[in-house]
Amino acid sequence: AQRVTQPEKLLSVFKGAPVELKCNYSYSGSPELFWYVQYSRQRLQLLLRHISRESIKGFTADLNKGETSFHLKKPFAQEEDSAMYYCALRVDNAGNMLTFGGGTRLMVKP
Amino acid sequence: NAGVTQTPKFRVLKTGQSMTLLCAQDMNHEYMYWYRQDPGMGLRLIHYSVGEGTTAKGEVPDGYNVSRLKKQNFLLGLESAAPSQTSVYFCASTLGDLVEPQHFGDGTRLSIL
Repeated sequence: AQRVTQPEKLLSVFKGAPVELKCNYSYSGSPELFWYVQYSRQRLQLLLRHISRESIKGFTADLNKGETSFHLKKPFAQEEDSAMYYCALRVDNAGNMLTFGGGTRLMVKP
Repeated sequence: NAGVTQTPKFRVLKTGQSMTLLCAQDMNHEYMYWYRQDPGMGLRLIHYSVGEGTTAKGEVPDGYNVSRLKKQNFLLGLESAAPSQTSVYFCASTLGDLVEPQHFGDGTRLSIL
């Protein structure tokens, strides 16, 4: 069965510092990876997906199939980046289902 | 266009009581999902539906039932609530193709005493 692991429950950095939220997955087929974000008092929303290969709010993530990782990175963290971040995996299935990691809370201190 | 709307937002139940959580979407989405969110465990899929009149079990279906009588609504029922079902419940929906991401509701915070 597929699995998504986010090893850090909490990541605390200072404003302007680089940030990397780790995500590792296990799946034998062709994965599709996503990062979802939940800001305080807001809905869970899609941040980015690996097939888009885009940068959203300064965040990027590269799928590394060799290391089965999809780490989220931003060179200079901002206070408004403080939120809960979830990595999610979609496998080849008819239900378009997602498997989520446990989440990492990012706190950016002034 | 409200997107995905969940009612109620908060509820406290006693062990053994029953209740139904309602999820409504106005985006004409085919697929709908119910998740529960627990600290350190992320979101886990309870049940899902790929169309009106169809439902299927997710990762943690025990103790829950669902119904999708209308395309826009997906109901989650707890027949006999247990303290282990204390959680935040999220509904999501998507078109059903592989391009559209899942859209989430605001969540329902449920406490079972």
